[in-house]
Amino acid sequence: TQLLEQSPQFLSIQEGENLTVYCNSSSVFSSLQWYRQEPGEGPVLLVTVVTGGEVKKLKRLTFQFGDARKDSSLHITAAQPGDTGLYLCAGEPFGNEKLTFGTGTRLTIIP
Amino acid sequence: EPEVTQTPSHQVTQMGQEVILRCVPISNHLYFYWYRQILGQKVEFLVSFYNNEISEKSEIFDDQFSVERPDGSNFTLKIRSTKLEDSAMYFCASRAWLGYTFGSGTRLTVV
Repeated sequence: TQLLEQSPQFLSIQEGENLTVYCNSSSVFSSLQWYRQEPGEGPVLLVTVVTGGEVKKLKRLTFQFGDARKDSSLHITAAQPGDTGLYLCAGEPFGNEKLTFGTGTRLTIIP
Repeated sequence: EPEVTQTPSHQVTQMGQEVILRCVPISNHLYFYWYRQILGQKVEFLVSFYNNEISEKSEIFDDQFSVERPDGSNFTLKIRSTKLEDSAMYFCASRAWLGYTFGSGTRLTVV
């Protein structure tokens, strides 16, 4: 069974600070995706990374896929209250269509 | 932006009853999925569907579950005899290439 552990589980910081969320596994994935989920809604895709070492930027969000394709990070610069939410990583194994979701990081940005 | 539409948004059913959850995937997507999320837990894969047949299913997806694409637009999940532990948010997703688009979910409550 492939597991994705996210850390921290909860994070509460002041507006304007930087933060990093980690997604780690002992398994190798063909791609890794980051989602944001609002209460009562489905996950919304933020980014997909597919190449080991790949870095993608989405405005103030920077996503990195580990060289060994086992881990990923999400870095937010100058966090804003609108960034508050549940962030999920999800890995797609090779030759397999099902996503394995991480445990989630609940982020709260305090104005 | 194209959406995955799920109906109903909420469903309350008595234990032992059959329920059908409905989804309209994005029209040019070829891969369809059902995931579920029990309150406070991770999003879990149930089943994937491609070319009018199940391509993969999880241990959760037992004989009580079935999926169907009865026409060119709808994708349904049927639970034949619901149990209390089936209470969860059920998410439909579809995919073209990279990245999944999830619907807003159906909250199923079995009483």
